[in-house]
Amino acid sequence: DAGITQSPRHKVTETGTPVTLRCHQTENHRYMYWYRQDPGHGLRLIHYSYGVKDTDKGEVSDGYSVSRSKTEDFLLTLESATSSQTSVYFCAIQDTNSYEQYFGPGTRLTVT
Amino acid sequence: GDSVTQMEGPVTLSEEAFLTINCTYTATGYPSLFWYVQYPGEGLQLLLKATKADDKGSNKGFEATYRKETTSFHLEKGSVQVSDSAVYFCALSDDSNYQLIWGAGTKLIIKP
Repeated sequence: DAGITQSPRHKVTETGTPVTLRCHQTENHRYMYWYRQDPGHGLRLIHYSYGVKDTDKGEVSDGYSVSRSKTEDFLLTLESATSSQTSVYFCAIQDTNSYEQYFGPGTRLTVT
Repeated sequence: GDSVTQMEGPVTLSEEAFLTINCTYTATGYPSLFWYVQYPGEGLQLLLKATKADDKGSNKGFEATYRKETTSFHLEKGSVQVSDSAVYFCALSDDSNYQLIWGAGTKLIIKP
C-alpha cells in the first residue's frame, strides 16, 4: 500500500471556524491532490500541488486554500467553514510517470 | 475538453452473474485509462489500467480493454461475488496538467 495518511479522520466543526486537514506521504511523490466527494457529484478536485510551494486550483477551489512546505505534507485549509463544505475529503498522490494515483483513507468533515 | 462517461448506477446483480460497467471517453491525445474501486468507508484503490490502444488491463478477475475505435474502456468480470459490491470509477490521464479526469462512478450491488 502506498504510504499516505490523512488526519483527522473525522471532524465536526461549527460554521465560521477555520479547519485544517493534513495529508502526509512517505513516497516522495511530487504531485499531490485534494478532492472532495459528495453524493451525486463523484470526485471533484479542489487543489493540487506539483512541488514544494507549487500549487494550483482545481474545479471547486473557492473557500479553500492549500500549502505545501515539505514534499511529504499537503495541507488543506477551510478559512471559514460553511455547511456546504460538509463532505468527505480525500488526498491522493500520483506517480508522475504512470499517472497512477494512490488515495488516503479520507476525512469526514461535518460543518454544523 | 477531455471527459469520461460512465453508466449510471446502481447496478444490481446476483452472485455469479456476468458484469459489465460501461465507460466511454473523449480525449484529444493518447491518454492512459484506469478503473478504480471504492469499498464502503474507504479511499479509492487502483483496480486496473491500460496505457495504449488494444491493451487489456486485468486484476482480481476484472478486465477492461482500451478500444480506441469506440473510445471505450468497459469493465467486465465473468462471475461477481458479494465482496465486489463497491463503487467503480473510470478515469483517464490528462497529459496537459498531470491530472486524472474522473467519471461519476457506478455503484455495484451484488446480492447473494
